[in-house]
Amino acid sequence: QVQLQESGPGLVKPSQTLSLTCTVSGVSISSGGSYWSWVRQHPGKGLEWIGYIYYSGITSYNPSFKSRVFISVDTSKNQFSLRLTSVTAADTAIYYCAKVSGYDRHFDYWGQGTLITVSS
Amino acid sequence: QSALTQPPSVSGSPGQSVTIACTGTRNDIGSYSRVSWYQQPPGTAPKLIIYEVSNRPSGVPDRFSGSKSGSTASLTISGLQAEDEGDYFCSSFTSTTTDIVFGGGTKLTVL
Repeated sequence: QVQLQESGPGLVKPSQTLSLTCTVSGVSISSGGSYWSWVRQHPGKGLEWIGYIYYSGITSYNPSFKSRVFISVDTSKNQFSLRLTSVTAADTAIYYCAKVSGYDRHFDYWGQGTLITVSS
Repeated sequence: QSALTQPPSVSGSPGQSVTIACTGTRNDIGSYSRVSWYQQPPGTAPKLIIYEVSNRPSGVPDRFSGSKSGSTASLTISGLQAEDEGDYFCSSFTSTTTDIVFGGGTKLTVL
């Protein structure tokens, strides 16, 4: 079955770069038809779409993150990654990676999520 | 402030039905049938329960149903069970630069 797993440091200092990797199993990112996405959730709050990438490298980002976000893909490892620069305490959240239907943009599989705390 | 509007909370007794509304605009729900719903029990990741307005993934009980009228989508849960408690989020494709938008979430309490 399809599974996604986030990995990365749980603590990031202010002004530094948050880096996360999502390892996908049960489906090949290269098979196409899906986007590979990052979503975050501030504790006790709603979901916020960050962006997604297609296996070819095409990306789409939430404008709210302006130029701070970068999503990349490594098809040889069946992984995709998130980089968020110049983080502040407002970036403290649970970060999820997810598989997104290419047509109607529904999130059909999610990782378990990882809590990232921004603090000195 | 979320792009899609949901009520903060709803409640119902076991066996009853509840409906959660999700209001958007002509840029999203009003023009596209690309609405999905997610269930998130406390401390867990979201789970897809409805896609393309009214389709249920395999394994989701038929107690969960979705519909759309104009710019408002709705999720109805019939025959409420204690295990249905948690947060529910709607999402839609949007023709704006954002591409994907979420609702703020609705907390369901089973009394």
